[in-house]
Amino acid sequence: AQTVTQSQPEMSVQEAETVTLSCTYDTSESDYYLFWYKQPPSRQMILVIRQEAYKQQNATENRFSVNFQKAAKSFSLKISDSQLGDAAMYFCAYRSYRDDKIIFGKGTRLHILP
Amino acid sequence: DGGITQSPKYLFRKEGQNVTLSCEQNLNHDAMYWYRQDPGQGLRLIYYSQIVNDFQKGDIAEGYSVSREKKESFPLTVTSAQKNPTAFYLCASSPHRTGGYGYTFGSGTRLTVV
Repeated sequence: AQTVTQSQPEMSVQEAETVTLSCTYDTSESDYYLFWYKQPPSRQMILVIRQEAYKQQNATENRFSVNFQKAAKSFSLKISDSQLGDAAMYFCAYRSYRDDKIIFGKGTRLHILP
Repeated sequence: DGGITQSPKYLFRKEGQNVTLSCEQNLNHDAMYWYRQDPGQGLRLIYYSQIVNDFQKGDIAEGYSVSREKKESFPLTVTSAQKNPTAFYLCASSPHRTGGYGYTFGSGTRLTVV
């Protein structure tokens, strides 16, 4: 069975600095999708970024980018120019190409220090 | 605007009672999901449905039941058999059962046993 591991329960970063959240996953499949979701204090889950495993190019969305290392099964999220509004719980998630269930990690709580 | 509506936002249950959480979507999505969120546990899948009148158990289905009589609706009943129901419940939907789509989430229901 696939698993998703986020080894950092909490992190802090100074406003305007850059922070990287780690995620590793375990799968025997070659076709899959990876996601980062943000859950702010409102608890509304927001999709931040999506990566297709067959694409070597790392996905980017404005200040958010990923470092996707397929061989190492690593999928880290980099947030540049951190803002107070980035404070949230961040979940890494995996979805098989053939399946409709998304498997979530346990999350990393990110604090932004003013 | 299209989206997922969960109600109520807060729900209190007495010991031995069944309660039903509502989830409605107007996105014309085929698949719908229920997740439970506990502190430090991430999101765990309770039940999911790919088409009307069909649903499957997730990882923690014991003590829960669902129905999918309409494409738009996927209510979750927390039965008295669920020994530790206090949690945050999230409903989600996806356009198709495969294809690597991310989920769209509702705003959640906080259930507390009193």
